Amino acid sequence: EADIYQTPRYLVIGTGKKITLECSQTMGHDKMYWYQQDPGMELHLIHYSYGVNSTEKGDLSSESTVSRIRTEHFPLTLESARPSHTSQYLCASSGQGSGNTIYFGEGSWLTVV
Amino acid sequence: QKEVEQNSGPLSVPEGAIASLNCTYSDRGSQSFFWYRQYSGKSPELIMFIYSNGDKEDGRFTAQLNKASQYVSLLIRDSQPSDSATYLCAAKDSNYQLIWGAGTKLIIKP
Repeated sequence: EADIYQTPRYLVIGTGKKITLECSQTMGHDKMYWYQQDPGMELHLIHYSYGVNSTEKGDLSSESTVSRIRTEHFPLTLESARPSHTSQYLCASSGQGSGNTIYFGEGSWLTVV
Repeated sequence: QKEVEQNSGPLSVPEGAIASLNCTYSDRGSQSFFWYRQYSGKSPELIMFIYSNGDKEDGRFTAQLNKASQYVSLLIRDSQPSDSATYLCAAKDSNYQLIWGAGTKLIIKP
């Protein structure tokens, strides 16, 4: 099972602020993902990476950006937060074993006021 | 558009009964299928995955796959109140992307 750590877990910020959500995994997984999920709603893939220096946009259009400079680290940045960005952000990773199963971090709850 | 369809529920099942959760997928090239459980306010956690036709059992959980019918199911035997959660079905498509269903909310009544 993957160990995936997300910080901060909960954050309230003002409109227009820049925020970076951190995500790190200790299992050496090559693939990492960011999902957005509103309460009671479905998961939406916003970014993914298949390895260092590889990043792709997901199915849901997002104003966020990501980087993958190190295998274990996949931060997500919002340059100018808006109330519409209020949501839960879930980081995940997968490796070669266990059928390429995706494992999730505990999530970061973002509220933009 | 590749899709994974689930009944949103809620599905209400008495404690001790069998809960049956169903999922259909549109991409015939999908090879692996996953069931996750998500408690309210928490992140999804893997229950099990299946890639061969037939049944796969793990404790009280049984996953069933029928590729001809493009159908995956999850059975939960001896349902407990702690099984109350949203269950997410996902299919890994022919491009190795994971396509998620919207989830079925399961309520186990004591």
